[in-house]
Amino acid sequence: EAQVTQNPRYLITVTGKKLTVTCSQNMNHEYMSWYRQDPGLGLRQIYYSMNVEVTDKGDVPEGYKVSRKEKRNFPLILESPSPNQTSLYFCASSRQGIEGEQYFGPGTRLTVT
Amino acid sequence: QKEVEQNSGPLSVPEGAIASLNCTYSDRGSQSFFWYRQYSGKSPELIMFIYSNGDKEDGRFTAQLNKASQYVSLLIRDSQPSDSATYLCAANDYKLSFGAGTTVTVRA
Repeated sequence: EAQVTQNPRYLITVTGKKLTVTCSQNMNHEYMSWYRQDPGLGLRQIYYSMNVEVTDKGDVPEGYKVSRKEKRNFPLILESPSPNQTSLYFCASSRQGIEGEQYFGPGTRLTVT
Repeated sequence: QKEVEQNSGPLSVPEGAIASLNCTYSDRGSQSFFWYRQYSGKSPELIMFIYSNGDKEDGRFTAQLNKASQYVSLLIRDSQPSDSATYLCAANDYKLSFGAGTTVTVRA
């Protein structure tokens, strides 16, 4: 089954404790991206990647890091999480970059206390 | 000003009626537009995309684009309770920008 997977689905952590949210897709898509979704603000892009070893900032990159060492994986790293990073996070992939359909993962609900 | 604006709703329509969702965008360079549906607690899924001015129909859904007015709309005909969800509009210029979404409730 073609899909985007994320882990963990739910995470409660404390301020400053480094964490990684994994994202993997099995559709051989070159384009992958991370979004956060907050009430009233919609989906905002954090980082995106056009291909392996090619990443760039989205609208809200502060406090986040990404890497793209393999085509299928695009982990999101929070080096020192803060409460304002409490949000719902979605990973997405696309065959045609921003021109095509974005396939979203199931989401990761992160709470930072 | 947000790049993509949507009526926040909620929009409540009776079963069988037409639900009309509106979206405006600020960047005249936007080339393509997408409507995603997001059920509560789920991830967004694509319903339709439109590139050219005019209407595009797919089953009970019709997307309308007016680039001169920087306006995109989505009509849902014969609304069903299963259409109850949040609908996200997205515009693509050099990046993909999403609106905050309009929540639709279809009353049985």
